[in-house]
Amino acid sequence: GNSVTQMEGPVTLSEEAFLTINCTYTATGYPSLFWYVQYPGEGLQLLLKATKADDKGSNKGFEATYRKETTSFHLEKGSVQVSDSAVYFCALSEGDTGFQKLVFGTGTRLLVSP
Amino acid sequence: DAGVIQSPRHEVTEMGQEVTLRCKPISGHNSLFWYRQTMMRGLELLIYFNNNVPIDDSGMPEDRFSAKMPNASFSTLKIQPSEPRDSAVYFCASSLVEMGTDTQYFGPGTRLTVL
Repeated sequence: GNSVTQMEGPVTLSEEAFLTINCTYTATGYPSLFWYVQYPGEGLQLLLKATKADDKGSNKGFEATYRKETTSFHLEKGSVQVSDSAVYFCALSEGDTGFQKLVFGTGTRLLVSP
Repeated sequence: DAGVIQSPRHEVTEMGQEVTLRCKPISGHNSLFWYRQTMMRGLELLIYFNNNVPIDDSGMPEDRFSAKMPNASFSTLKIQPSEPRDSAVYFCASSLVEMGTDTQYFGPGTRLTVL
């Protein structure tokens, strides 16, 4: 079946450091890919998405590019802030249009210190 | 829009009791999802509805769990009887199914503790 693999956390960085969180996927067909973020005590929020190969999703300084050849969707940010500390989930959509559901990775915790 | 609304936010109950979690999706959305999140198992999809009809309940752990969606603006997840291993955060999410990709919007979750 379809699956998403994320790098183990926590990822610990100092403020203004460069961030990469790796995500690879296994899927039949051409799923859409997502990054969701979960702040402490809250539900998941969509951070960005990409619907086809070579698409780049971006939001709030984060970006990720849909790479079909490497089945990857790595999350990057050039300069992290303390407020970016959260858990980040990579996900893909599966199923037919109209009956899609998301398959999530296990999540990667990011800790940013001042 | 108020977003997805879940109640209660916290629930503490004793083993064997019935627990009912409630969800109000975003107005106009036609798909609703129930998830469970634990440290051990991560985020698991329990069941999802499209136009109030259950489409896939393969994630429901056992017969003690049931979910209903009597109308487009309300859903419940019931656990009867509850057990300590059901302790988790339960999320509801909704989306608008259209051609292409569906973005899911999550509620704040219900933290369930079964003693």
